[in-house]
Amino acid sequence: DSGVTQTPKHLITATGQRVTLRCSPRSGDLSVYWYQQSLDQGLQFLIQYYNGEERAKGNILERFSAQQFPDLHSELNLSSLELGDSALYFCASSGGRPQETQYFGPGTRLLVL
Amino acid sequence: GIQVEQSPPDLILQEGANSTLRCNFSDSVNNLQWFHQNPWGQLINLFYIPSGTKQNGRLSATTVATERYSLLYISSSQTTDSGVYFCAVERVGNTPLVFGKGTRLSVIA
Repeated sequence: DSGVTQTPKHLITATGQRVTLRCSPRSGDLSVYWYQQSLDQGLQFLIQYYNGEERAKGNILERFSAQQFPDLHSELNLSSLELGDSALYFCASSGGRPQETQYFGPGTRLLVL
Repeated sequence: GIQVEQSPPDLILQEGANSTLRCNFSDSVNNLQWFHQNPWGQLINLFYIPSGTKQNGRLSATTVATERYSLLYISSSQTTDSGVYFCAVERVGNTPLVFGKGTRLSVIA
């Protein structure tokens, strides 16, 4: 158990819908990262937050947004869902400083029908 | 951006055999991690190893940062070792992890 929790574990929805994925980092970690794992793109970084502020942005679509709350949990919002958004979404956390291990949550498996 | 290449892409082993997985990267890195993704999709941290050698049971890893590669050794493989092994690096400058495409390992009893 990495100490990072994600809910829900599985999500099935329809095209055009909106979903919210939730992540709680390990106790004491200030930084949260979101990654997407799809069959064709592999594991890709989406976005990073550090202590409530956006720190880095990767290949995140405009239809996707995220935020980190004062209690340090984070939510990833996916809207106007398309079939191609079906993927495994991981959250990871670290202390936020360079050269630190990132610990990954169990992931949320999203299926868009 | 930084390129991360893993080899081989697929590997089939008989239980009890040893194996070496390789990760090459194209730029200097702050951080290198090895992960095992089990058949249920969970990503499990194996090693944080930006340089040097570490061992954990039947697994060990070596990173030669100056030559930009890392090796993961699995000895006396077991069926529970099956899954995909990923190498991920963090470029100098505190950037998020960049993953390789992984090595899919199947251990047969």
